[in-house]
Amino acid sequence: GENVEQHPSTLSVQEGDSAVIKCTYSDSASNYFPWYKQELGKGPQLIIDIRSNVGEKKDQRIAVTLNKTAKHFSLHITETQPEDSAVYFCAASGHGGGADGLTFGKGTHLIIQP
Amino acid sequence: GAGVSQSPSNKVTEKGKDVELRCDPISGHTALYWYRQSLGQGLEFLIYFQGNSAPDKSGLPSDRFSAERTGGSVSTLTIQRTQQEDSAVYLCASSSNAGGQETQYFGPGTRLLVL
Repeated sequence: GENVEQHPSTLSVQEGDSAVIKCTYSDSASNYFPWYKQELGKGPQLIIDIRSNVGEKKDQRIAVTLNKTAKHFSLHITETQPEDSAVYFCAASGHGGGADGLTFGKGTHLIIQP
Repeated sequence: GAGVSQSPSNKVTEKGKDVELRCDPISGHTALYWYRQSLGQGLEFLIYFQGNSAPDKSGLPSDRFSAERTGGSVSTLTIQRTQQEDSAVYLCASSSNAGGQETQYFGPGTRLLVL
């Protein structure tokens, strides 16, 4: 089955700086890669996703890049703000549609230092 | 519109008791997913439904876990004879269908503590 590795587990950046979180996946047939933000006591919230037919997607301060050859994808947050502090999860969806659900990384605790 | 809702939000139970967790998906979503999140860990996929059918139950941790969905809407996850290792946050998500690339929307979760 799919295996997703996520790094780093904790990331501390100064407010206004950029943050980058990286993930690798094992199943070359995976074709959908969402990123979720989870705040304390809440469920994960989708912030951006990318499908295998594109290499990059951007939404305001957030961007995701995908390298299918190397089987890795990254989340980039620019001009970080205190409200960006949360746990971020990457995930990958296999070719089996819903049958495999989403396979998640273990999460990155992003801390924005004022 | 209304998002995914789950109840109860918190549940404390004694070892050996049965618990039932409920999920109300977004109206019109045919696919529903259950995940488990242990403290400080990522999400572990348990089971999904397309309509009322769960094609693959192999992700359930043990035979003490079962899930059902009726009327293509509400789903319940039942844990029988709970053990302390069952303590976790149980998250439900729904999507418009189970096409693999459909966005999954999560509920707030049920925090289960087994004493």
